[in-house]
Amino acid sequence: DTEVTQTPKHLVMGMTNKKSLKCEQHMGHRAMYWYKQKAKKPPELMFVYSYEKLSINESVPSRFSPECPNSSLLNLHLHALQPEDSALYLCASSQPGLYTGELFFGEGSRLTVL
Amino acid sequence: GQQLNQSPQSMFIQEGEDVSMNCTSSSIFNTWLWYKQDPGEGPVLLIALYKAGELTSNGRLTAQFGITRKDSFLNISASIPSDVGIYFCAGQIKGTNFGNEKLTFGTGTRLTIIP
Repeated sequence: DTEVTQTPKHLVMGMTNKKSLKCEQHMGHRAMYWYKQKAKKPPELMFVYSYEKLSINESVPSRFSPECPNSSLLNLHLHALQPEDSALYLCASSQPGLYTGELFFGEGSRLTVL
Repeated sequence: GQQLNQSPQSMFIQEGEDVSMNCTSSSIFNTWLWYKQDPGEGPVLLIALYKAGELTSNGRLTAQFGITRKDSFLNISASIPSDVGIYFCAGQIKGTNFGNEKLTFGTGTRLTIIP
């Protein structure tokens, strides 16, 4: 069982819809991440939150809007997406210090944009 | 940006065979990690390596951090059906601020076991 929980597992939305992906962890990790993964490709970093503050934005289009309400929760708000945004969206968390590369991933939210 | 070249891209083996895959980079990394991803799941950490030359085992898995810090390999001994999946290497450069240290993922090796 993963200790990072993502909801929903599957999401289908139209290009004019507004939706959100949610992620929760209870491991006390203070870094949380959003990755995007296309089929047969490695995960690509989108955003990093460190101590609830946005520390990395990998030049992600503004139609993706991250939010970290507290140390356990991470949201990704979606608006006016394009079909090419269809992908598996992965949330991950890690501890501070030496082990920041040791990411704990959720199972992902598979997004389809029609 | 940094690129991690992983080889082979795919492997077709019989159960019981040993597996070897590697990852090379043009850049130096401070940390090398190996993850496995099953279909419909997120990646799961297998092994983390923190020192050049380090050799670490996790059950049937063995990984090494190359002396030059530009490469790493992963070996799986006596493969079993649950080893099927995609294996990703990942490298990280340690920064001065926690939260600004990105992982770079390799291109992946897809392992298939032939009945």
